[in-house]
Amino acid sequence: DAMVIQNPRYQVTQFGKPVTLSCSQTLNHNVMYWYQQKSSQAPKLLFHYYDKDFNNEADTPDNFQSRRPNTSFCFLDIRSPGLGDAAMYLCATSRDLVNEQFFGPGTRLTVL
Amino acid sequence: QKEVEQNSGPLSVPEGAIASLNCTYSDRVSQSFFWYRQYSGKSPELIMSIYSNGDKEDGRFTAQLNKASQYVSLLIRDSQPSDSATYLCAVNTNTGGFKTIFGAGTRLFVKA
Repeated sequence: DAMVIQNPRYQVTQFGKPVTLSCSQTLNHNVMYWYQQKSSQAPKLLFHYYDKDFNNEADTPDNFQSRRPNTSFCFLDIRSPGLGDAAMYLCATSRDLVNEQFFGPGTRLTVL
Repeated sequence: QKEVEQNSGPLSVPEGAIASLNCTYSDRVSQSFFWYRQYSGKSPELIMSIYSNGDKEDGRFTAQLNKASQYVSLLIRDSQPSDSATYLCAVNTNTGGFKTIFGAGTRLFVKA
């Protein structure tokens, strides 16, 4: 089945220790997104890639970076995690910007 | 004014009743509208997309769109306890760059 996969499902890191979350897709979609979602809040868009074009949201902290080495994979790097970065990180894909998005299962990040 | 607004709930309905979920949005030129269901601790799952004024039905779900009034709603007929979840409204906007904005969601509780 075509799908969006995220690894790991749970990630524990220490304050200030860099962490990388990964996302892969078999849908062959053009667009890949990273969202941060905290409890009882809306998913907050961090950035997206349209093919190789990177689009950063204005309020995304510099601490968050992303890479998309090919169509299938996209990574979220958190350079120096703070306690406030503990959240669910959601990867999503869509065929184009106007289309519905399909989400991976998410990675729950805990910062100690 | 928030770009996408939903009542946070919880909305409580008895099993078998119709659940009505509402969403308003601020960008008058939005063209694409989506409803996602999110169970606690899980990622959002697409239920419906709607692009034109009027109703769109899919099984027990009906999405209603009124662009003039800038609202979109989701009706769930014959509500089941398994429908208990948070329902996220999402709207495509072209303000400050093309992107999808999510509401914070309405929690629905269906009582058996």
